[in-house]
Amino acid sequence: QQPVQSPQAVILREGEDAVINCSSSKALYSVHWYRQKHGEAPVFLMILLKGGEQKGHEKISASFNEKKQQSSLYLTASQLSYSGTYFCGTPNSGYALNFGKGTSLLVTP
Amino acid sequence: KAGVTQTPRYLIKTRGQQVTLSCSPISGHRSVSWYQQTPGQGLQFLFEYFSETQRNKGNFPGRFSGRQFSNSRSEMNVSTLELGDSALYLCASSIGDGGRTWKSIQYFGAGTRLSVL
Repeated sequence: QQPVQSPQAVILREGEDAVINCSSSKALYSVHWYRQKHGEAPVFLMILLKGGEQKGHEKISASFNEKKQQSSLYLTASQLSYSGTYFCGTPNSGYALNFGKGTSLLVTP
Repeated sequence: KAGVTQTPRYLIKTRGQQVTLSCSPISGHRSVSWYQQTPGQGLQFLFEYFSETQRNKGNFPGRFSGRQFSNSRSEMNVSTLELGDSALYLCASSIGDGGRTWKSIQYFGAGTRLSVL
């Protein structure tokens, strides 16, 4: 089951903040966040685990509300390098993930 | 450590043909997953292999198949290609330590871009 991401697209100026949301219809043990730049492979950003543990990027933060089955990715003081498409992923029955359709983020000077 | 390697990077085929894509995971990783990426659909899960066994399959027709070899390298095959199969096919590997699947990080290759004419 594919998680639902919002918004679909965001345009920011450098230094502005953004929030990307991810929700699932089923109970979650974890939420994974990836960023994909144009023409490149998706790159792991962060994993949030049930119980509060998280691992990932130093400059990007995220939250995970287990009861609501939702996660949010917070991009603060955005930089040009933050541009790309952000995907959230939720575990399926193995090691693979079910990904949302992505949120396209463009940071302009 | 070398990353996930996918070959070829680009492929052009015609309808009705078949195609085989290859993926070499990070050394030591035992799980390989395949995804199809198309505009507007995001990353859609195709299947996952672990220790040469298909563990899980997404909602794709039987024309899509795969296998994993004893060295963890994986191939996916698409038979009787259709125009709608044009996409970026991504392979990802995970260490696959036998448990705690929900903690496992996926490492992606650069993908194979398939164009079906």
